[in-house]
Amino acid sequence: GENVEQHPSTLSVQEGDSAVIKCTYSDSASNYFPWYKQELGKRPQLIIDIRSNVGEKKDQRIAVTLNKTAKHFSLHITETQPEDSAVYFCAALGRPGNQFYFGTGTSLTVIP
Amino acid sequence: GAVVSQHPSWVICKSGTSVKIECRSLDFQATTMFWYRQFPKQSLMLMATSNEGSKATYEQGVEKDKFLINHASLTLSTLTVTSAHPEDSSFYICSAAGDVSYNEQFFGPGTRLTVL
Repeated sequence: GENVEQHPSTLSVQEGDSAVIKCTYSDSASNYFPWYKQELGKRPQLIIDIRSNVGEKKDQRIAVTLNKTAKHFSLHITETQPEDSAVYFCAALGRPGNQFYFGTGTSLTVIP
Repeated sequence: GAVVSQHPSWVICKSGTSVKIECRSLDFQATTMFWYRQFPKQSLMLMATSNEGSKATYEQGVEKDKFLINHASLTLSTLTVTSAHPEDSSFYICSAAGDVSYNEQFFGPGTRLTVL
């Protein structure tokens, strides 16, 4: 099955700086890669996703890049704000059941 | 957008009892529902995948006789934790996928289970 690794596990940045979180996956057949933000005790919220037919996608301060050859994808948050502080999970769509396999999570802290 | 609800939001039970958690898609038909378990400060671990009208597919290491999943309709799936023990205490989250958005899953708010 799919194996997703995520780094770093914790990340602290100053407000206004950029944050980058990286994930690798093992199944070359995976073709959908969402990123979720989860606040304590709440459900994961989709913040951005990318499909395997594109290499980059951007939505305001958030961007995701995908390298299919190397089987890794990254989340980029620019101009970070304290409200960006949360745990972020990457995921890859597995086969055959279309299930998500999640990374281990990154706890992001934005220091005011 | 697509809305998924879960009930109850939190439950406390005695060891040995069974607990049922409901997951509902409120405004779309969920052909597939997924059940996850999340321990504190850990990631979401997929427990099982259920398709409407068929038996659930369990991930390796998940006891199907302990975690009973029923997906009897396109809007409802239930997870029953049978003979719960303190080590089953966790945050259980469902998600649903259907014809709303290709590949995307919509998560429920989660159920916090505490077994005394």
